[in-house]
Amino acid sequence: KAGVTQTPRYLIKTRGQQVTLSCSPISGHRSVSWYQQTPGQGLQFLFEYFSETQRNKGNFPGRFSGRQFSNSRSEMNVSTLELGDSALYLCASRLGGSTGQGETQYFGPGTRLLVL
Amino acid sequence: GEDVEQSLFLSVREGDSSVINCTYTDSSSTYLYWYKQEPGAGLQLLTYIFSNMDMKQDQRLTVLLNKKDKHLSLRIADTQTGDSAIYFCAERNDYKLSFGAGTTVTVRA
Repeated sequence: KAGVTQTPRYLIKTRGQQVTLSCSPISGHRSVSWYQQTPGQGLQFLFEYFSETQRNKGNFPGRFSGRQFSNSRSEMNVSTLELGDSALYLCASRLGGSTGQGETQYFGPGTRLLVL
Repeated sequence: GEDVEQSLFLSVREGDSSVINCTYTDSSSTYLYWYKQEPGAGLQLLTYIFSNMDMKQDQRLTVLLNKKDKHLSLRIADTQTGDSAIYFCAERNDYKLSFGAGTTVTVRA
């Protein structure tokens, strides 16, 4: 079974631009979560989508948004980019159930965003 | 601040055992995880333990959980050069994972 895939793998943008990142979960997984990884703040939860609905959101400004499609693929968007948005953005998928194996999150390789 | 704490660095000789320690704060966490991150890569799930267990063994990996002290450890037996990476401890509370800052493990010959 294919793992979580993310595109693009690398991206360079300038301040003020916007960016869209894509994530395809493991087949059959219905929950997709996004995390931001920076050297200063470590790994921080952005949001989770399940069945095309944002189920939970972390403590990030409204410039960070996302969506999920009917095939469970997800996109996240960052508008009005700032230098501090430079990070590795990781997507994780899980079955979406509340018990047992469904709790385990599997991560993609990430998209490395550099904002100049 | 981090709810999950780990030591930042560990240096180990090839062939020895590595032990990475982690403390967490949320006693209601149901699952605790260990992830591995190699340079330029995403997070690879190594193993996890359910909160009602105190030990789990998986090949070279042994996870110990002391729920009373909220202490989790990962032991890697016969550490190899390919084990050089950053190891993250994570606790699951409700919908998200909370991660430690990561322990950089360096394996020396």
